[in-house]
Amino acid sequence: KAGVTQTPRYLIKTRGQQVTLSCSPISGHRSVSWYQQTPGQGLQFLFEYFSETQRNKGNFPGRFSGRQFSNSRSEMNVSTLELGDSALYLCASSFLGQNTEAFFGQGTRLTVV
Amino acid sequence: KNEVEQSPQNLTAQEGEFITINCSYSVGISALHWLQQHPGGGIVSLFMLSSGKKKHGRLIATINIQEKHSSLHITASHPRDSAVYICAVRPLETSGSRLTFGEGTQLTVNP
Repeated sequence: KAGVTQTPRYLIKTRGQQVTLSCSPISGHRSVSWYQQTPGQGLQFLFEYFSETQRNKGNFPGRFSGRQFSNSRSEMNVSTLELGDSALYLCASSFLGQNTEAFFGQGTRLTVV
Repeated sequence: KNEVEQSPQNLTAQEGEFITINCSYSVGISALHWLQQHPGGGIVSLFMLSSGKKKHGRLIATINIQEKHSSLHITASHPRDSAVYICAVRPLETSGSRLTFGEGTQLTVNP
């Protein structure tokens, strides 16, 4: 059974640009959550999608958005990139969400220059 | 104060030693996760607990819901155990799979 796949693994963007990251969950998993990891703030929750609907949202500005497709694959988008958006972006999938184990991808390391 | 506190922040051990990492949380939870992160970023889920104790190989995780405390133990530690160990909780007040994380414990096991 394939794990959670995130693409791309590494990305370098310029301030002001936008970026789209992709997450393919484990087959059969319907919940996808996104997290941002920085040295200063640690791991922080961005948002969760379940059956194509955003179920939870963290405290991030509107420049951060996401969506989920009918096959449960999810994308997150960051517009008007800032230097502070440089981070490791992780997604996690789970079967139902609450009280089911979360499986993490390898992450996408975004560097904004 | 963070909702999830881990101790210690850094831990250095000699191969073979017994290791304990602690996690305290301040909110009601439906589950607690122990995660392992190696350099390079990928996170592996070690345990998900809502009560009692779980064991997998040399790893043991316990949770005391009344005291809002969990511990991760590594018996007969090995250099390959060197990683960041992260405690994460699923708060009762939130629906879905949202996790709140501790700051992590950097473990280094020397041969």
